[in-house]
Amino acid sequence: DAGVIQSPRHEVTEMGQEVTLRCKPISGHDYLFWYRQTMMRGLELLIYFNNNVPIDDSGMPEDRFSAKMPNASFSTLKIQPSEPRDSAVYFCASSLTGTGSYGGYTFGSGTRLTVV
Amino acid sequence: SQQGEEDPQALSIQEGENATMNCSYKTSINNLQWYRQNSGRGLVHLILIRSNEREKHSGRLRVTLDTSKKSSSLLITASRAADTASYFCATDGRSGGGNQFYFGTGTSLTVIP
Repeated sequence: DAGVIQSPRHEVTEMGQEVTLRCKPISGHDYLFWYRQTMMRGLELLIYFNNNVPIDDSGMPEDRFSAKMPNASFSTLKIQPSEPRDSAVYFCASSLTGTGSYGGYTFGSGTRLTVV
Repeated sequence: SQQGEEDPQALSIQEGENATMNCSYKTSINNLQWYRQNSGRGLVHLILIRSNEREKHSGRLRVTLDTSKKSSSLLITASRAADTASYFCATDGRSGGGNQFYFGTGTSLTVIP
């Protein structure tokens, strides 16, 4: 397996534009997580899915953020409209269990988003 | 917050020395995990220790867990320059009807060749 695949690796966009981040989890992993990492706030959980169903989206900062998981092999995180304070590295992770009790979470390489 | 806190925030040692990082957390846990993050990369799972375990080894890594003190430590023995990275502890907790992990703020380790 190629691991968790995220695209794009880097995204630079202008304020107000829509941004879509993509993630392909490891096949067979029932849980998918979206995290945001900044120097100020560290690693924050935004939302996670179990079997394609959103379980907890309490970490989604605003209505400008939305996430979908239309099938077991694909998820998107969308920001519309984007703002400079959304600039961060966004990670997708997948796991066999919610608490990673079998092998932990597997993270993708992240998408570095810069909103100017 | 259920988030763990690592200590120290930054650590610099010479190659060959041992590195010890600590993690404190606030609530009861089922298990605790340690992750490494190299600059510009995603987090990589290192080791998991369950609440009924006190110590666990994996290669040059040794993890201890003291549930009475709500703390864990990660020891890297005979450090190498390639161990330079940030290290995070993650503790499990309940949120929104499900279980998830909360990551700490990390310890930045620099191993000087």
